[in-house]
Amino acid sequence: GENVEQHPSTLSVQEGDSAVIKCTYSDSASNYFPWYKQELGKRPQLIIDIRSNVGEKKDQRIAVTLNKTAKHFSLHITETQPEDSAVYFCAASTPFNQFYFGTGTSLTVIP
Amino acid sequence: KAGVTQTPRYLIKTRGQQVTLSCSPISGHRSVSWYQQTPGQGLQFLFEYFSETQRNKGNFPGRFSGRQFSNSRSEMNVSTLELGDSALYLCASSLPFQTADTQYFGPGTRLTVL
Repeated sequence: GENVEQHPSTLSVQEGDSAVIKCTYSDSASNYFPWYKQELGKRPQLIIDIRSNVGEKKDQRIAVTLNKTAKHFSLHITETQPEDSAVYFCAASTPFNQFYFGTGTSLTVIP
Repeated sequence: KAGVTQTPRYLIKTRGQQVTLSCSPISGHRSVSWYQQTPGQGLQFLFEYFSETQRNKGNFPGRFSGRQFSNSRSEMNVSTLELGDSALYLCASSLPFQTADTQYFGPGTRLTVL
């Protein structure tokens, strides 16, 4: 089955700096890659996603890149703000809607 | 549209008991997936139901089972509870029409096994 690895597990950045979280996947059939943000005590919320026919997608301060050949994808957050502090999860889905999640990255933005 | 809802929000059980959790998806969503979330393990996929049929299954023992009703509401059952079953159980719903689509999560049920 699919295996998704996520790094780093913890990340601290100064407010205004950029944060990058990386994930790798193993199943070349995976074709949908969402990123979720989970604040303490709350449900995971989708922040951005990308499909396998696209190499990059951007939404304001958040961007995701996908390298299908190397089987890795990354989340980039620019101009970080304290409210970006949360746990971020990457996921890879097979065409059959079966999702595999990374183990999460705890991001702390220091004011 | 109303979001995904889960009941109950909190449960305390003792070892050996069984428990049933409920999930109501977003209206129009026919796919419901269940996940177990524990610290350090992230979200572990349990199973996915679509149109009352289990379509995908993760690597959990047979004590974990589920079902889906004709209105797409889903239940998850855990029998013979163990201490290690203590976790946050999340369900997520999605539209089934594309091969893979955005999943929307419920608030979760926090299960504590004593």
